[in-house]
Amino acid sequence: EAQVTQNPRYLITVTGKKLTVTCSQNMNHEYMSWYRQDPGLGLRQIYYSMNVEVTDKGDVPEGYKVSRKEKRNFPLILESPSPNQTSLYFCASSPVGQATEAFFGQGTRLTVV
Amino acid sequence: AQSVTQLDSQVPVFEEAPVELRCNYSSSVSVYLFWYVQYPNQGLQLLLKYLSGSTLVESINGFEAEFNKSQTSFHLRKPSVHISDTAEYFCAVSDRTGRRALTFGSGTRLQVQP
Repeated sequence: EAQVTQNPRYLITVTGKKLTVTCSQNMNHEYMSWYRQDPGLGLRQIYYSMNVEVTDKGDVPEGYKVSRKEKRNFPLILESPSPNQTSLYFCASSPVGQATEAFFGQGTRLTVV
Repeated sequence: AQSVTQLDSQVPVFEEAPVELRCNYSSSVSVYLFWYVQYPNQGLQLLLKYLSGSTLVESINGFEAEFNKSQTSFHLRKPSVHISDTAEYFCAVSDRTGRRALTFGSGTRLQVQP
């Protein structure tokens, strides 16, 4: 089954404790990205990757890091989480091309206390 | 840069009634247009998209949207809703070049009541 898998689905952590949210896709897509969803704001792109070893900032990259060492994986790293990073996070992937559909993971609800 | 405005944060409607969810966008370049649906505790799923050609696009579950270039709108409609349509709906645009990010509206929660 074609899918984007995020882990964990739920996470509560404390301020300053480094964490990683994993994302993996099995569709051989070149393009992957991370979004955060906040009430009243919709989804905003954090980082994206056009291919292996190629990453770039989205609209709200501050406080986040990513890496793309393999095509299928695109982890999101919070080196020193803060309460304003409490949010619902989605990973998405799509093939490179014009207007292709983005496939989303199930989401990770992160709470930073 | 692009922006998307969804004018209604919530739309309550009775089952079998028609519904329209409004979406307006702003962009200095040509864009693709999308509607995504998010059911409770799930990720987003593509509902329909406009790339080019016919300005009326349809989904497999009875939704349709019409691209209106002069009004920069992409409203979503369904002539008769079901309880199972209860979800949050996001309008989004994507530029045709560059980083191809989806720019989302703030979402409209459709609540279908029996």
